[in-house]
Amino acid sequence: DGGITQSPKYLFRKEGQNVTLSCEQNLNHDAMYWYRQDPGQGLRLIYYSQIVNDFQKGDIAEGYSVSREKKESFPLTVTSAQKNPTAFYLCASNPWDNGQPQHFGDGTRLSIL
Amino acid sequence: GENVEQHPSTLSVQEGDSAVIKCTYSDSASNYFPWYKQELGKRPQLIIDIRSNVGEKKDQRIAVTLNKTAKHFSLHITETQPEDSAVYFCAASHPQAAGNKLTFGGGTRVLVKP
Repeated sequence: DGGITQSPKYLFRKEGQNVTLSCEQNLNHDAMYWYRQDPGQGLRLIYYSQIVNDFQKGDIAEGYSVSREKKESFPLTVTSAQKNPTAFYLCASNPWDNGQPQHFGDGTRLSIL
Repeated sequence: GENVEQHPSTLSVQEGDSAVIKCTYSDSASNYFPWYKQELGKRPQLIIDIRSNVGEKKDQRIAVTLNKTAKHFSLHITETQPEDSAVYFCAASHPQAAGNKLTFGGGTRVLVKP
């Protein structure tokens, strides 16, 4: 069954701790994205990647880092520099061609302990 | 960069009535406009999309219209049902958007009252 898998579903972070959210896709999509969604709000772009070993900052990249060592994987690290990390994090992917919809994973809900 | 505004932010309708959500975009080069539905705690799911070479597209009770001159597009839901209650997001992208990025509107919370 093709799709995007995010793990874990729920994650708790202690003060000063870095945590990594996993995103894996088996859709053979070139582009991958990370969004942050706060309660009752829209989607804000954190980072995106068009090809392996390349990624770009989105609108709210501060306090986050990513890597793209494999086409199917795009992990997001929430660093201790992100002072307000509590949010719903969504990973998405789509083919490189213009005008292709993004497909989303089920999300990871991150909270501070 | 592109800016997408979405109205209204909340919409309450009686079951069986129609619901209309409007979005405006700023970049005239934008040529792809998807709509997503997000139920509480779930992932956004694509419900319909339209490209700039088309003025209207329908899929059962859902339709989207695009006015390129005015730079706005709308989602129409007819014969609303309780399961239509969700948050709806519009988005836009254009050919030169780095990484094929989508710019999302702020969302509309739709409540269908039985």
